[in-house]
Amino acid sequence: GAGVSQSPSNKVTEKGKDVELRCDPISGHTALYWYRQSLGQGLEFLIYFQGNSAPDKSGLPSDRFSAERTGGSVSTLTIQRTQQEDSAVYLCASSLSFTPRHGHYEQYFGPGTRLTVT
Amino acid sequence: AQKVTQAQTEISVVEKEDVTLDCVYETRDTTYYLFWYKQPPSGELVFLIRRNSFDEQNEISGRYSWNFQKSTSSFNFTITASQVVDSAVYFCALSMEYGNKLVFGAGTILRVKS
Repeated sequence: GAGVSQSPSNKVTEKGKDVELRCDPISGHTALYWYRQSLGQGLEFLIYFQGNSAPDKSGLPSDRFSAERTGGSVSTLTIQRTQQEDSAVYLCASSLSFTPRHGHYEQYFGPGTRLTVT
Repeated sequence: AQKVTQAQTEISVVEKEDVTLDCVYETRDTTYYLFWYKQPPSGELVFLIRRNSFDEQNEISGRYSWNFQKSTSSFNFTITASQVVDSAVYFCALSMEYGNKLVFGAGTILRVKS
């Protein structure tokens, strides 16, 4: 079946512009996660969705970052007034279950969006 | 706080050699979950294995095996008879029973030369 898809695959933007990154999870997966991968910081958790609600936003680096999920499916990560330090690969993942005890908890990742802020 | 340490930044081996990637974790929780992911040059993270803290049984899958030892807080990954296609960055990760984020180690770059 289809895996997690993300768009665009690459995005170059000027400092100060807003960007939107999209994630389509695996069909039927209830949980959706955003991570960021950069050379200096490694892989960092940003936010997690359970259905359409976000119980854990603890990883969002600033209030310039926001995310939403609609219909229990597609999610959009928005970065306002981008800064050069936002340059990174943004990874989306989904899992069938959001509760480890229920099994099927492993997260499956998309190919990522490489964001470059100039 | 939770932490995952992969002390080996980069390992180079010759094809057919066995190689072990180390992972040490820190957590105060009694229930937690450990993972290994592979990131090949294409960039996409590939799930390899999940291990629950209450199950210390080691696992073998083909050329891959995992050694989980709670006494030393380690979850090491061994590739037997390595192949060039095993070249990738390997990440160890940890999650808690409550809260679903993965805490990743810094990753180990594995280079397998023919």
